[in-house]
Amino acid sequence: AQSVTQLGSHVSVSEGALVLLRCNYSSSVPPYLFWYVQYPNQGLQLLLKYTSAATLVKGINDFEAEFKKSETSFHLTKPSAHMSDAAEYFCAVSPSGTYKYIFGTGTRLKVLA
Amino acid sequence: KAGVTQTPRYLIKTRGQQVTLSCSPISGHRSVSWYQQTPGQGLQFLFEYFSETQRNKGNFPGRFSGRQFSNSRSEMNVSTLELGDSALYLCASREEGQTSDTQYFGPGTRLTVL
Repeated sequence: AQSVTQLGSHVSVSEGALVLLRCNYSSSVPPYLFWYVQYPNQGLQLLLKYTSAATLVKGINDFEAEFKKSETSFHLTKPSAHMSDAAEYFCAVSPSGTYKYIFGTGTRLKVLA
Repeated sequence: KAGVTQTPRYLIKTRGQQVTLSCSPISGHRSVSWYQQTPGQGLQFLFEYFSETQRNKGNFPGRFSGRQFSNSRSEMNVSTLELGDSALYLCASREEGQTSDTQYFGPGTRLTVL
């Protein structure tokens, strides 16, 4: 069965520092990949998605992610963290031929002043 | 366009009762999916409806059911509630139901079972 692994359930960075949130997937066929953000008591908001058009995907709020097939990874980065980035981030895969998302366990990002 | 809306936003029930949650997708979207989010199990897929037909189902007991109406609005029903059903239930819609399509999520319904 396909799965998504997010390394680090909690990540802390200083304001202005690089944000790196890790996501690895298991799939013999490159699936569609997504990053979502969830703020407290809210639903999920799409940050970016990979659908095989380009390996480097740019999203909202200066987030980007790079698809690396050889490493089966889709890590999320942002050059400079802002206090408003504090939230929980979820990586998700949509396996080919299915209509559901498989989510990682999430990474809670804390931004320190 | 208005986003995905879910009603009610909060719900408190007691064990053994049943509950119905409602989801209105983005206008023009024909696919609606439901997810359960809990601290212990994370986000888990419940089921997906497309054009009033259940197209995919997760690994949940039969107490969890759903349906979709001709206007694409969807309802989810949980019967004989258990304490473990306390969760945030998220609904998501997408336009044509292709696997590459983005799912847009609603704010969720927080269900508390006492």
